Amino acid sequence: DADVTQTPRNRITKTGKRIMLECSQTKGHDRMYWYRQDPGLGLRLIYYSFDVKDINKGEISDGYSVSRQAQAKFSLSLESAIPNQTALYFCATGADSETQYFGPGTRLLVL
Amino acid sequence: GQNIDQPTEMTATEGAIVQINCTYQTSGFNGLFWYQQHAGEAPTFLSYNVLDGLEEKGRFSSFLSRSKGYSYLLLKELQMKDSASYLCAVRNQAGTALIFGKGTTLSVSS
Repeated sequence: DADVTQTPRNRITKTGKRIMLECSQTKGHDRMYWYRQDPGLGLRLIYYSFDVKDINKGEISDGYSVSRQAQAKFSLSLESAIPNQTALYFCATGADSETQYFGPGTRLLVL
Repeated sequence: GQNIDQPTEMTATEGAIVQINCTYQTSGFNGLFWYQQHAGEAPTFLSYNVLDGLEEKGRFSSFLSRSKGYSYLLLKELQMKDSASYLCAVRNQAGTALIFGKGTTLSVSS
């Protein structure tokens, strides 16, 4: 079984809709992250969490919100999706100063 | 500000050696990472440097010079499967986040 899973893997939605992307991990890591990746722009940090009661904004948090339901679960919500949120979204986990481990990604298309 | 620069694309042939450079300007430094990402897949960890010098791991090596804000990833005995994007990332001084470069797409041909 994969250590970091993301659901759904692909999603098509319409402008204005609220959607949620989910991430689960079995690595036992405290730290979890959400990134988006766009062609030519690389990976950009949206939000991160170091434990269940800790939520921090990243570089591009506008238009997004997150929830850390448990140590193993970190969900990303788009309150009102817009076309420029079309991207590949990655969840990642990490333990203290160690490297980050990425999930398989969610490909989101906003029409 | 924070800025990480790496070449957009590189090409090489099977069996060759290729060096992918990364320069960075950040407000703090707490380690540099290299990741490999095949098209449509998740990034996977390759190497980590926090002190100056060369770290070798099989066919891959990574070098860091903190005074120059410079790193490189060296890939030896290139194989077709090495065709991928290589991402350079710097961890901020607080250790709270990674800042990624835009990645270098390497194409290996026979």
